[in-house]
Amino acid sequence: RKEVEQDPGPFNVPEGATVAFNCTYSNSASQSFFWYRQDCRKEPKLLMSVYSSGNEDGRFTAQLNRASQYISLLIRDSKLSDSATYLCVVNIYPGGFKTIFGAGTRLFVKA
Amino acid sequence: EAQVTQNPRYLITVTGKKLTVTCSQNMNHEYMSWYRQDPGLGLRQIYYSMNVEVTDKGDVPEGYKVSRKEKRNFPLILESPSPNQTSLYFCASSRATRTDTQYFGPGTRLTVL
Repeated sequence: RKEVEQDPGPFNVPEGATVAFNCTYSNSASQSFFWYRQDCRKEPKLLMSVYSSGNEDGRFTAQLNRASQYISLLIRDSKLSDSATYLCVVNIYPGGFKTIFGAGTRLFVKA
Repeated sequence: EAQVTQNPRYLITVTGKKLTVTCSQNMNHEYMSWYRQDPGLGLRQIYYSMNVEVTDKGDVPEGYKVSRKEKRNFPLILESPSPNQTSLYFCASSRATRTDTQYFGPGTRLTVL
C-alpha cells in the first residue's frame, strides 16, 4: 500500500463545477500536510497548507482529519485555469523529515 | 528574485558516464531535497539535507549521491548512470520547520541511453 494515496482521476468537469479531491495517508508520524499544483512538466507549486481546523483560500478549501488520516481539497466554481495535476503531500518526522507525494489527480476543466 | 536553479535542464548521456546535476537556492534555506518524477509513480524523494553536512536518504537513494558543503548548493551525483535513472528530477528547498512549504527548481530531464 502506498503511504499517500489519491483518487486516480482524471476528473473532467465543466467550468463552474465544484470538484473534490481526496487523499489518505498511512504513516501516523505524518506531521504536516499540503496540496501542491503541477502544470504539465513544470515544477510543483504550493496551492495551500492543510490544517486540522480546515482552511480556505478563495475558491479552495482544504480539510484534514487526523483520526481518519484523510485530507481533502474542494475547488468551487472551477475555472479553465484550474486544469492541472493536484498533488497531496505529507511531511513525516522521524528525526529529520521526509516528504511523501501522492501520485496526483489530474483535473481537466472544460468550457 | 527568490529561486531554486538547476543545471542542466536537459541531459542525454550514456550508461556509466558519471554526471552531476547542480542545485542552488538564494533564500538561505536550511532544508534541501532531491526528487525524481516518473509516470504513474509521482514524485519520490531521493535524498534530503537538513543543513550543511547533514544529509539523509529518502525513499529511492540507490544509485545516487549527494553532498552539502555549502548552504546554498546541493548537487546530485550519479556515479554510474543506468537507463532506469531516466527521469525528471526536481530540487527543492525550504526553511527547516515542520510546516514550511518547499520551493522547487524548474526540473532536469535526464535520459540515460
